[in-house]
Amino acid sequence: ETGVTQTPRHLVMGMTNKKSLKCEQHLGHNAMYWYKQSAKKPLELMFVYSLEERVENNSVPSRFSPECPNSSHLFLHLHTLQPEDSALYLCASSQDVSYNEQFFGPGTRLTVL
Amino acid sequence: QKEVEQNSGPLSVPEGAIASLNCTYSDRGSQSFFWYRQYSGKSPELIMSIYSNGDKEDGRFTAQLNKASQYVSLLIRDSQPSDSATYLCAVNMGGTYKYIFGTGTRLKVLA
Repeated sequence: ETGVTQTPRHLVMGMTNKKSLKCEQHLGHNAMYWYKQSAKKPLELMFVYSLEERVENNSVPSRFSPECPNSSHLFLHLHTLQPEDSALYLCASSQDVSYNEQFFGPGTRLTVL
Repeated sequence: QKEVEQNSGPLSVPEGAIASLNCTYSDRGSQSFFWYRQYSGKSPELIMSIYSNGDKEDGRFTAQLNKASQYVSLLIRDSQPSDSATYLCAVNMGGTYKYIFGTGTRLKVLA
């Protein structure tokens, strides 16, 4: 595997379900990010981790819970989501949190029924 | 409110022409600037990064930065139908992890 990978690629869940999104980067980077991309809106930064430490929680509802067990893996745990949470969820990584170019994974297309 | 603004388009250019995409930003402290290409249903792909005033060329792509006027542009020479995509401008304020993205400009290259 190369670059940034994400699983699953597609997810359909009910509002009462609990699911997790997984991201893995194979670039040796120190920073990882979760973004939400909704139609007609710019990418919204959700969470930022630097060396496994969360450095940003961008006013995200508590029904989204991130986890970074090591610098290569990032999870987004989902529970009791709302239909308006349906979007493309993108993981990205960069060498460090400042200045650097970010590289994105393929994303998870989430549909909440 | 720190913002990055782009014309949503679509910008239509004939094959072989130069496509010019523009982006303005509001935060004067911004230090790093990026262009991403996003095909429909796919994730953003980094095309160019630029950090200092002037032009930076990479193949058919040229990024231009003018910090005094707070704009950054992307020129695509010899446009091809495969260049048809949405182009996202992203700005990072120096020394922070806050990347602000524009809504993107949709480019259509007509064969």
